[in-house]
Amino acid sequence: QQQVKQSPQSLIVQKGGISIINCAYENTAFDYFPWYQQFPGKGPALLIAIRPDVSEKKEGRFTISFNKSAKQFSLHIMDSQPGDSATYFCAASRNTGFQKLVFGTGTRLLVSP
Amino acid sequence: KAGVTQTPRYLIKTRGQQVTLSCSPISGHRSVSWYQQTPGQGLQFLFEYFSETQRNKGNFPGRFSGRQFSNSRSEMNVSTLELGDSALYLCASSPQTPHQETQYFGPGTRLLVL
Repeated sequence: QQQVKQSPQSLIVQKGGISIINCAYENTAFDYFPWYQQFPGKGPALLIAIRPDVSEKKEGRFTISFNKSAKQFSLHIMDSQPGDSATYFCAASRNTGFQKLVFGTGTRLLVSP
Repeated sequence: KAGVTQTPRYLIKTRGQQVTLSCSPISGHRSVSWYQQTPGQGLQFLFEYFSETQRNKGNFPGRFSGRQFSNSRSEMNVSTLELGDSALYLCASSPQTPHQETQYFGPGTRLLVL
C-alpha cells in the first residue's frame, strides 16, 4: 500500500522531443505528489508538485498529469534539452503532518543533442 | 537563504565502526527528515524530526538513530556498520506549515563501508 511504481527505468529522447515518465500508487490516502530531479553528486531538487484536486499542473516546460481514478500521475517534459538529462523521481505523501515521502524507483533520462 | 547543508560530504568507515552524520536545515525550517539512497533500494525514508521529537520512523534496524537539537540541526548515527550501509544519506528540511510540506534536500553524505 505504500509503494509508488515508476516507469520507465531509463529513457532516451532526442533534443526537442517530449519526455514522459509515469507513476502509479496504491494508497488512496496519498494527497501530495511531487517530482524531484537529481543530477549526479547532488541531492534531489523539487521540480513540480500536484494535489489530487487538480488534473494537471504546468510550470514552464514541465507538466504533471494526474488521474485520481486510475491512481496514476505522469511527468511530461516538453522540448527536452540536454540539460534535462538527470534522474527523475516521483513521490507521494499523506497530509498527516509527518514529512514522509514514498519515492518511485527513478527514471534516468538522457536527452541526446 | 542558504540551502540544506550536510557534513561530511564523504566518509569511509570499516565494518563494526559507528558513524555520525550532521545536517543543518534551511533557516526557519523545523522539520528534518533523513533518507537513504542506494542503487538497489532507491530512496528510503529513515526518520523525521520536528521540534526535537522523532515523529515518524521508517523500516530500518535500531542501529540507525537520530536526534534534533533546539536550533533544528539534526544528526543521525549508525552503529555497528555493515557493508550494506554503504549509501548516500540525504537530509531534507521542510517549513512544516499547512500546504507547505515541500522537502528541500541537501547534497548528501556518501558513506562507504569497507
